[in-house]
Amino acid sequence: GAVVSQHPSRVICKSGTSVKIECRSLDFQATTMFWYRQFPKQSLMLMATSNEGSKATYEQGVEKDKFLINHASLTLSTLTVTSAHPEDSSFYICSAIGPGGKGSDEQYFGPGTRLTVT
Amino acid sequence: GQNIDQPTEMTATEGAIVQINCTYQTSGFNGLFWYQQHAGEAPTFLSYNVLDGLEEKGRFSSFLSRSKGYSYLLLKELQMKDSASYLCAVRDSNYQLIWGAGTKLIIKP
Repeated sequence: GAVVSQHPSRVICKSGTSVKIECRSLDFQATTMFWYRQFPKQSLMLMATSNEGSKATYEQGVEKDKFLINHASLTLSTLTVTSAHPEDSSFYICSAIGPGGKGSDEQYFGPGTRLTVT
Repeated sequence: GQNIDQPTEMTATEGAIVQINCTYQTSGFNGLFWYQQHAGEAPTFLSYNVLDGLEEKGRFSSFLSRSKGYSYLLLKELQMKDSASYLCAVRDSNYQLIWGAGTKLIIKP
């Protein structure tokens, strides 16, 4: 149980276009999801916390108008990278707190989306 | 500020034992996690400690000392497939995960 999927797994887009990444909790409801970015050989960097039915909470230095997050349902959160530039090329990973809620002992990660902006 | 420290890289031999240390300074503590991440893949959960002591799961064990702000991940009977990065993360008082930079473990035959 507690599976998180992401789509697409890989995407290549041209500079200036927008890309949407979906994160789904397949067999549980996730009131809170997290979006991370990871550059090569670096650790995960939390971008934002996505709460169902409310606005996302962005980490310092993350542009909320560039990285649009929508958590429209208990099983789906989307991250849209608007006006993408080559420096946005990265590995984007979502995660969700498990079925036990905040008391759960782990976050479940999606498989990640590798974005390449040309 | 909040800080997680772990070695950048370690090398060990197949069949041997290796211990990866993690020290932390965070605002509050609600558990410490170890994740394994193979190159190009998302992290996968290994262990969770919230009380002091040793948690054993097969070949992997994790230890926590809250008073010292210290944890280690112990890997026994190393296999080549254990070559990966190992991430230490602490959940703070806001239930946010604070991540270490990861330890790249290289296993040699």
